[in-house]
Amino acid sequence: DQQVKQNSPSLSVQEGRISILNCDYTNSMFDYFLWYKKYPAEGPTFLISISSIKDKNEDGRFTVFLNKSAKHLSLHIVPSQPGDSAVYFCAASQKDTGNMLTFGGGTRLMVKP
Amino acid sequence: GAGVSQSPRYKVAKRGQDVALRCDPISGHVSLFWYQQALGQGPEFLTYFQNEAQLDKSGLPSDRFFAERPEGSVSTLKIQRTQQEDSAVYLCASSPMLKGLRQQYFGPGTRLTVT
Repeated sequence: DQQVKQNSPSLSVQEGRISILNCDYTNSMFDYFLWYKKYPAEGPTFLISISSIKDKNEDGRFTVFLNKSAKHLSLHIVPSQPGDSAVYFCAASQKDTGNMLTFGGGTRLMVKP
Repeated sequence: GAGVSQSPRYKVAKRGQDVALRCDPISGHVSLFWYQQALGQGPEFLTYFQNEAQLDKSGLPSDRFFAERPEGSVSTLKIQRTQQEDSAVYLCASSPMLKGLRQQYFGPGTRLTVT
């Protein structure tokens, strides 16, 4: 059973507009969530994270929102840039399990100039 | 500073061969993780070390998979008698284990193709 799901395999957005990537999880023990960005032939690069005690975390153009009651998080990128085109992975971890990450299947974002 | 490095970047193995994949974590990082990423999917956890201790190997898919980190820095993932279903990208990640910070830093991966 997939504990972290990204239901949109791909998303296309115009440059300058907002990109919204979504992620759902089922395990209520998850208490820390992360977003990673991946270019082809490279490893995932950490973007932003949020602890379950918060509902929003912002870092420049990137904002992550967490809705614990809905077990849903989203990543907002504003404004989107062509260099943001990549695969984005949502990941979750649970304290006391060594902080292993459980990943979603990824969403491919394409930002068109 | 140097990031996580992995070697080789690409490996082609004939079915039944043994392979060894190496990971050099970021210097000083206590935690080291191995993940397997199949084509079109997210990475899946294989095993975790804290220093030289292997604290969790629940994700290793079979007893053909073995990992070690004898001196608490470099780690090797070994796959014996490779099968076609072992074809994947193997990612290594390290983490400093600082309180409140749980991000892991990934290497570029080793793409294993079993023919």
